[in-house]
Amino acid sequence: EDQVTQSPEALRLQEGESSSLNCSYTVSGLRGLFWYRQDPGKGPEFLFTLYSAGEEKEKERLKATLTKKESFLHITAPKPEDSATYLCARGGNKLTFGTGTQLKVEL
Amino acid sequence: GAVVSQHPSWVICKSGTSVKIECRSLDFQATTMFWYRQFPKQSLMLMATSNEGSKATYEQGVEKDKFLINHASLTLSTLTVTSAHPEDSSFYICSARASANTEAFFGQGTRLTVV
Repeated sequence: EDQVTQSPEALRLQEGESSSLNCSYTVSGLRGLFWYRQDPGKGPEFLFTLYSAGEEKEKERLKATLTKKESFLHITAPKPEDSATYLCARGGNKLTFGTGTQLKVEL
Repeated sequence: GAVVSQHPSWVICKSGTSVKIECRSLDFQATTMFWYRQFPKQSLMLMATSNEGSKATYEQGVEKDKFLINHASLTLSTLTVTSAHPEDSSFYICSARASANTEAFFGQGTRLTVV
């Protein structure tokens, strides 16, 4: 069974305090590892796709990395507008999501 | 990124009536569309996977006669909630992808309230 586990469940940061979110997944049959951002009451917004171990993608203050069993979303010098729930998903026949990390960035 | 449009964004219906939600990929052809349900402060729960021209594959515990999914073209999928009841009230979200190896893009979601 496809599984995706995200940690921590919730994270509170001060503005400018960098941190990382973790996503671990079942490897068999993987077709891509995806990161999304979701704001309350909205559909998830696509951020990154990673396919191979060692791959990295960056966008503004976010950088996603992939190893053989895990992916990390690094947030550098976050701002309050980065507050959201960050979801990772495992690609394959289905798109299986983790439970998300709820990030709150405070002034 | 690609655009997926979901309509309506919110709907209120009476118990016992049916509601149809549309999901359109506006700038790409979607071979696969997914339908999710999301409860407050919880993650996305996959309801069904729909491939164009084929019957949808429903997840365990999802009633296929209650949640009718049609994927008649490469740009449109619909979810019909039949004989809706208050416990069907939820946030329904669709997503679409061009192929099995690519990312999926999401609609805005539909807030369904059954009264």
